[in-house]
Amino acid sequence: DSGVTQTPKHLITATGQRVTLRCSPRSGDLSVYWYQQSLDQGLQFLIHYYNGEERAKGNILERFSAQQFPDLHSELNLSSLELGDSALYFCASSVEARGSADTQYFGPGTRLTVL
Amino acid sequence: DAKTTQPPSMDCAEGRAANLPCNHSTISGNEYVYWYRQIHSQGPQYIIHGLKNNETNEMASLIITEDRKSSTLILPHATLRDTAVYYCIVRVKLPASGNTGKLIFGQGTTLQVKP
Repeated sequence: DSGVTQTPKHLITATGQRVTLRCSPRSGDLSVYWYQQSLDQGLQFLIHYYNGEERAKGNILERFSAQQFPDLHSELNLSSLELGDSALYFCASSVEARGSADTQYFGPGTRLTVL
Repeated sequence: DAKTTQPPSMDCAEGRAANLPCNHSTISGNEYVYWYRQIHSQGPQYIIHGLKNNETNEMASLIITEDRKSSTLILPHATLRDTAVYYCIVRVKLPASGNTGKLIFGQGTTLQVKP
């Protein structure tokens, strides 16, 4: 158990719908990263938040957005869903404070199926 | 971030050492080598990282060549539970103000440990 929790574990929805994926980082971790893993693209970085602020964006579609709240949990919002959005979505957290290790701890993932 | 090259797959007999190679010929002086693994569809798991010296922890050993252009992850006594995809990633070590610790995953090496 990495200490990172993600909900829900599974999500089945229809094209055109909107969903929200939630991530609770390990206690004390300031950074949250989101990654997408699809069969054809592998593991891809989506977005990084540090202490509530967006720090980096990867190959994240405009239909996707994320935020990190004051309690440091994060949500990934996916809208106008398409079949190709079906994937595993992982979040990872990391301390990233001076003097600490920068290991990323991954959650168990949310499996999204768009029908 | 430097690009890495890994063999797509390897086999190892249970109880024997598994040696997983990684080439990173364009690595910069301030970039570290990180190894993560993913067992089936679980969240990736951190294994070890290093800069230029050999590193060892309870999971594995990391051998980095003197010119730092390649490295080898060693699992000293592989078990069936070590069957996974192993990812070699190169990036700068955090924290550094304003930097992101995003992980860029390649295709990795699928290690099959056989009884």
